[in-house]
Amino acid sequence: KQEVTQIPAALSVPEGENLVLNCSFTDSAIYNLQWFRQDPGKGLTSLLLIQSSQREQTSGRLNASLDKSSGRSTLYIAASQPGDSATYLCAAVPMYSGGGADGLTFGKGTHLIIQP
Amino acid sequence: DAGVTQSPTHLIKTRGQQVTLRCSPISGHKSVSWYQQVLGQGPQFIFQYYEKEERGRGNFPDRFSARQFPNYSSELNVNALLLGDSALYLCASSLRGQGPHDPYNSPLHFGNGTRLTVT
Repeated sequence: KQEVTQIPAALSVPEGENLVLNCSFTDSAIYNLQWFRQDPGKGLTSLLLIQSSQREQTSGRLNASLDKSSGRSTLYIAASQPGDSATYLCAAVPMYSGGGADGLTFGKGTHLIIQP
Repeated sequence: DAGVTQSPTHLIKTRGQQVTLRCSPISGHKSVSWYQQVLGQGPQFIFQYYEKEERGRGNFPDRFSARQFPNYSSELNVNALLLGDSALYLCASSLRGQGPHDPYNSPLHFGNGTRLTVT
């Protein structure tokens, strides 16, 4: 059974810093790895999707990397801003097990606060 | 374009009651998935529907059921509510199905969820 762990659980940094959020998964048999952002009381917003054949994806100030062999993904946020404050979740998409679509397996998230 | 819409936004029910949650996907999206998010946890997969057929089911009891309509909207039903069913229920739509027989590259678009409180 896939397990996804995110470290740290919470992070508070001053505005302008570059930061790294970590995600690890136990089963390397994944189709892709996705990063989401969740604002309080809201749904999830898709940030980046890294296919299993890729090593990284970039969108603006965000860069996500994937190392399947070590079961790790990182989300790098450059020049952080107060508007980046949110919970960041990673999710692994499992390989087809024969029974049907298994959905995403999420970590518990990293609660990020950017201090002005 | 409208995003994924869910109704109601908040709901309070009593133990033993039944509840129906509704979801309208983004126009053109044929797949709908349901997730349960308990406070402080990541979302957990409940169901996926694609082209009105159930494509996947998570580890939830039979009290949970769902269906997808011809217009691709979906309902999630929960019977015999328990206190532990209190959670944010999230609906997500995607252009195609989320499985290896379909390209698994379509990002999920989530609604803002229905907050269910069971007392």
